[in-house]
Amino acid sequence: QMQLQESGPGLVKPSETLSLTCTVSGDSISSTSYYWVWVRQPPGKRPEWIGSIYYTGGSYYNPSLKSRVTISVDRTRNQFSLNLNSVTAADTAVYFCANTYYSNYFDSWGQGVLVSVSS
Amino acid sequence: QSALTQPASVSGSPGQSITMSCTGTSSDVGSNNLVSWYQQDPGKAPKLLIFEVNRRPSGVSNRFSGSKSGNTASLTISGLQAEDEADYYCCSYGATSLWVFGGGTKVTVL
Repeated sequence: QMQLQESGPGLVKPSETLSLTCTVSGDSISSTSYYWVWVRQPPGKRPEWIGSIYYTGGSYYNPSLKSRVTISVDRTRNQFSLNLNSVTAADTAVYFCANTYYSNYFDSWGQGVLVSVSS
Repeated sequence: QSALTQPASVSGSPGQSITMSCTGTSSDVGSNNLVSWYQQDPGKAPKLLIFEVNRRPSGVSNRFSGSKSGNTASLTISGLQAEDEADYYCCSYGATSLWVFGGGTKVTVL
């Protein structure tokens, strides 16, 4: 069974870059059926899709975040990563990595990591 | 990219059936059958309940069912149980809106 695990700092200073990595186990990140995704959820609010990447490196992003987001994939380590630059307090949220089965649904999720933006 | 509209809360007694709605537009919910529903317990990741409007993954109780009419999707929980207390989110994929979630519905079992 596929498992995903987020890792990265839980505290980021305003204007700096938030960086998280998701390690996939139980399946290959090179699977042709999946997109690898980052989703965030501010406390008490709805989930917000950040962006998706295919194992080939092709990616697409939420238009509202596109100018600040980069998602990359490392097939050798079975990992994918999120960089969100110029963060503000509004970026404080639980960040989940997940995968989608094509564009049909979110299949497996990591447990999530709370990232706070504060000086 | 606007959120899908869900009622903030729905409640019911054990054994009853409840239904919650998810209203979008012709660019998302109304554009295809890529509507999914997720159950989220506090402090946990969302869990897939329904995909492609009305299909259940293996392991999900048949008390959960989904439907759609036009730009509105619905999730029904039959035989409500105490363990069904959670937040429920709808989600839609559209060619222009891409992935968008609803605002969430909190289910309370009375």
